[in-house]
Order: sequence, then structure tokens, then C-alpha cells
Amino acid sequence: GENVEQHPSTLSVQEGDSAVIKCTYSDSASNYFPWYKQELGKRPQLIIDIRSNVGEKKDQRIAVTLNKTAKHFSLHITETQPEDSAVYFCAANHGNQFYFGTGTSLTVIP
Amino acid sequence: NAGVTQTPKFQVLKTGQSMTLQCAQDMNHNSMYWYRQDPGMGLRLIYYSASEGTTDKGEVPNGYNVSRLNKREFSLRLESAAPSQTSVYFCASSDYREGEQYFGPGTRLTVT
Repeated sequence: GENVEQHPSTLSVQEGDSAVIKCTYSDSASNYFPWYKQELGKRPQLIIDIRSNVGEKKDQRIAVTLNKTAKHFSLHITETQPEDSAVYFCAANHGNQFYFGTGTSLTVIP
Repeated sequence: NAGVTQTPKFQVLKTGQSMTLQCAQDMNHNSMYWYRQDPGMGLRLIYYSASEGTTDKGEVPNGYNVSRLNKREFSLRLESAAPSQTSVYFCASSDYREGEQYFGPGTRLTVT
């Protein structure tokens, strides 16, 4: 099966700074890579996704990059705000299954 | 639209007891999933159903069974609960294989 690794496990940034979370995957057949945000006690919610035929995608302050050759993808959050504080999960889709990273707890310090 | 709903929200079981977690979606999605979430482990797929009438094992299926009752409903059954099954369980659905997954609110299960 697929193996997704996510780093760092915790990240603290000052409000207004950028945050970067990185994931690697093992199976080159994986072709869809979503990112989810989960606030404490709540359900995961999709914030951005990227498909294997695209190298970069941006949505306002959030961007995702994908390097298929190196099998890694990253989430970039610019101009961080306190409401960005949450746990972020990357995932890789392979066939009918999704494989999730272990999560990054992001804290934005006002 | 209610989206994805799950019942119950909380449950405490004794070792050896059985229970069924219910999940329903009103978005006419084909695919449905059951995950468990443990601290430091992320979300791990237990079972999924790519379409009505089909179910398949995920990463951690041992100790669980599922039923895709119809297109809307996908239940997860624990036949003989064990403390290792203490976790938060999320149901999810998606319109197609590489589409956004919509998650339910979760069920917090404790097995003593």
C-alpha cells in the first residue's frame, strides 16, 4: 500500500509569518493529494487539493506544490492568522483508498 | 442538506460488547468510508464502499464489519469490542474516487 509521511508534527509561527508543511508518499501511482484542516473537536475539512498533472495550485493565502519525481508535496500558508491554528493533514489517493499523514499541529501566535 | 451524519456522538462499551455505528449522507455520493483517528496516528481507513453493493477492506479492518445498506447509509459494526478500539470514528463520503471527501462529525468510542 501507500505510505505518507508528514513533517513537522508541530509548528509555531508568529502571526503574519508563513507556514510550510511537507509530505512525502511512496507509490508513484498515487494521483490526487488533498489537504485537510481539523479544528479541535471538529471534523476534517478540505482546504485545497492538487492532482498529479498539476505542479502548483493556489487559493488566496493557501498554496500547494507537488513534485512527482521526488514524490513530495507541500502546503504553504502565507500571512498566517490566529484562526489558521489547527491540525493539518495531507493525504494521497491511490485507487479507491486515501492514505493520510499523521498531522501537523499549527499554532499561530498573535 | 445535512451532509454526512453519524450516530451516536459518544459511546462507552465494556470489553466484549457489540455495537453498530451509523452513517448517512444526503449528497447522493457513490463512495463512503469509515476511518478511525488516534492521537499521533492520523486517519486510518477501516473499510470503504466504492458504490452501493460493494465493500472493501482498508488499512485496519480487523475487528470490524460493515454494511452498505443503500446508497445513503454505511454502517460499521464492532462484534466484540476491545480496548484497542477506543478511538474517534469518522464516516466520510465522496462523489467520485478522486473527489473531495466530506466527513461526518465523528463518534467518540471508549472501550473499558
